[in-house]
Amino acid sequence: DTEVTQTPKHLVMGMTNKKSLKCEQHMGHRAMYWYKQKAKKPPELMFVYSYEKLSINESVPSRFSPECPNSSLLNLHLHALQPEDSALYLCASSQEGASGLYNEQFFGPGTRLTVL
Amino acid sequence: AQTVTQSQPEMSVQEAETVTLSCTYDTSESDYYLFWYKQPPSRQMILVIRQEAYKQQNATENRFSVNFQKAAKSFSLKISDSQLGDAAMYFCAYCEGSNYQLIWGAGTKLIIKP
Repeated sequence: DTEVTQTPKHLVMGMTNKKSLKCEQHMGHRAMYWYKQKAKKPPELMFVYSYEKLSINESVPSRFSPECPNSSLLNLHLHALQPEDSALYLCASSQEGASGLYNEQFFGPGTRLTVL
Repeated sequence: AQTVTQSQPEMSVQEAETVTLSCTYDTSESDYYLFWYKQPPSRQMILVIRQEAYKQQNATENRFSVNFQKAAKSFSLKISDSQLGDAAMYFCAYCEGSNYQLIWGAGTKLIIKP
């Protein structure tokens, strides 16, 4: 299984709502990522989990809260978002990086988020 | 800091012809990897091809091949026999050997004319 799945595909939420994005992979990858992507732009890294521990947080506002319940699952909890947070949110996974090994990332289809 | 530059915001090619997308990068590292990712209008990011810096041989995947010029820090993607399904945004990306983080280029939109 070389697939990363994400739910939901689309999400519309108000600025006072609380919602969660979910990501799942069954490739045995130990690194998982959240990206934010605006239209016609490359993805922007938000968070990296390595062996279920947060290893990178790219100065993301606290209204985004990641969670890694186990090695196959990654969540992104959303609260009090702003309209400018509307974007495509991509999840990815890869083998644990080590010198000499390439870090190919496999991406999910994304969740298109609209904040009203 | 490492950077990746894609100087062509948009390219177009006639179906069945060949097109080359450009990518240059800047790094002082010796252990790194380079990737081309494709993102069609459906928005799923798909890995097209990868190149390890220590390999001199250019990577090839069916109709996709790269021209890796390490000294010039250039990593172009050639698509042969272009097909309508090749229409997408193409992103060049760089990654150090012991790092998780991809450094992305700005992307090139490829249009295929029937």
